[in-house]
Amino acid sequence: DGGITQSPKYLFRKEGQNVTLSCEQNLNHDAMYWYRQDPGQGLRLIYYSQIVNDFQKGDIAEGYSVSREKKESFPLTVTSAQKNPTAFYLCASSETGGYTFGSGTRLTVV
Amino acid sequence: AQSVAQPEDQVNVAEGNPLTVKCTYSVSGNPYLFWYVQYPNRGLQFLLKYITGDNLVKGSYGFEAEFNKSQTSFHLKKPSALVSDSALYFCAVRLNFGNEKLTFGTGTRLTIIP
Repeated sequence: DGGITQSPKYLFRKEGQNVTLSCEQNLNHDAMYWYRQDPGQGLRLIYYSQIVNDFQKGDIAEGYSVSREKKESFPLTVTSAQKNPTAFYLCASSETGGYTFGSGTRLTVV
Repeated sequence: AQSVAQPEDQVNVAEGNPLTVKCTYSVSGNPYLFWYVQYPNRGLQFLLKYITGDNLVKGSYGFEAEFNKSQTSFHLKKPSALVSDSALYFCAVRLNFGNEKLTFGTGTRLTIIP
């Protein structure tokens, strides 16, 4: 089955620690996206990549970093500079048309 | 710039009644419009899209939406609501060329009351 796999499903981070969220797709899509979801705020775009080895900041990129070394993979690192990282993180990919989403990673700061 | 407004945070409908979830959009050009549904702790699932052609679009699970260019609206509808339709619904818009980014609304929580 083609789709997007996000891992882990749940992640706990200590204060001052960097963590990396995985996103892998086998849909052969060029474009990939990371969104953050908070209650009542909908989806906010963190970073996106329209082609391998290239990515752009979205609306809330501060405290996050990404890489796009392979077409299939678009990992997101939540750095210690992100002061309020507790949220639900969604990865998506697209060709032309709509997006296909992963099932999300819930990150909690402990 | 493009934007989407979902004016209702919460919609409650009795089971068996028709439901409407509202969406209006703003985009500088011709739009592609989408509806997605999200169940708790899950990703977003595609429901339907308007690309071109017939203004009435039919999608998954008996949902449909009507594209109204003059009112810049794309309301989601279903003739008879099911309890299982209870979820969070997102409207999204993008320009109709290239691989432009989707802009999402803030979501509407639909609750179907048995």
